[in-house]
Amino acid sequence: NAGVTQTPKFQVLKTGQSMTLQCAQDMNHNSMYWYRQDPGMGLRLIYYSASEGTTDKGEVPNGYNVSRLNKREFSLRLESAAPSQTSVYFCASRGQGALLNSGYTFGSGTRLTVV
Amino acid sequence: QKEVEQNSGPLSVPEGAIASLNCTYSDRVSQSFFWYRQYSGKSPELIMSIYSNGDKEDGRFTAQLNKASQYVSLLIRDSQPSDSATYLCAVTYGGATNKLIFGTGTLLAVQP
Repeated sequence: NAGVTQTPKFQVLKTGQSMTLQCAQDMNHNSMYWYRQDPGMGLRLIYYSASEGTTDKGEVPNGYNVSRLNKREFSLRLESAAPSQTSVYFCASRGQGALLNSGYTFGSGTRLTVV
Repeated sequence: QKEVEQNSGPLSVPEGAIASLNCTYSDRVSQSFFWYRQYSGKSPELIMSIYSNGDKEDGRFTAQLNKASQYVSLLIRDSQPSDSATYLCAVTYGGATNKLIFGTGTLLAVQP
């Protein structure tokens, strides 16, 4: 099925552990995004990649790194997890040109708990 | 700080009524506006987009945009229990149409 695929769906980490959240899209979109969603805080942009080979910080980048591996894949890495990073993480992608106004397509999310 | 404001609700309406969801934004150069629906435990899904002042209708949904007042709304006619969800308003900012700011969402509860 066309869309945005995120792995894993659930993860529990201990404080200080590292992990990488994977995201891939098969819609030939240029732009990809990582958001976190916390109760009462809405969706907040962590990092984004406007095109292959470029990445930029969003609102809440501290404690995270990203890699735009190719046009399809955009990964998010937590180097040393902290309880404050407990959240639901969403990857999204967006088209360009005429597709720019089509809004984001979201993946199904990763529920991360840091204990 | 660029912001998108929504009333968190819950907004409770009876089945068959019109639900009215509102959103204000702070960035005057915003160009594109979106409404997403998010069911509990699920990812947001796009239901409406609007770019010009006025109304845009799609089935039971109508999006309304007033750029002078920096206000966008979503009307849901003939509300159904299946419409019960959180509705997120999203706005492009800074003239850069690649990034969206989301409001915190309004929880809609449609009572049978």
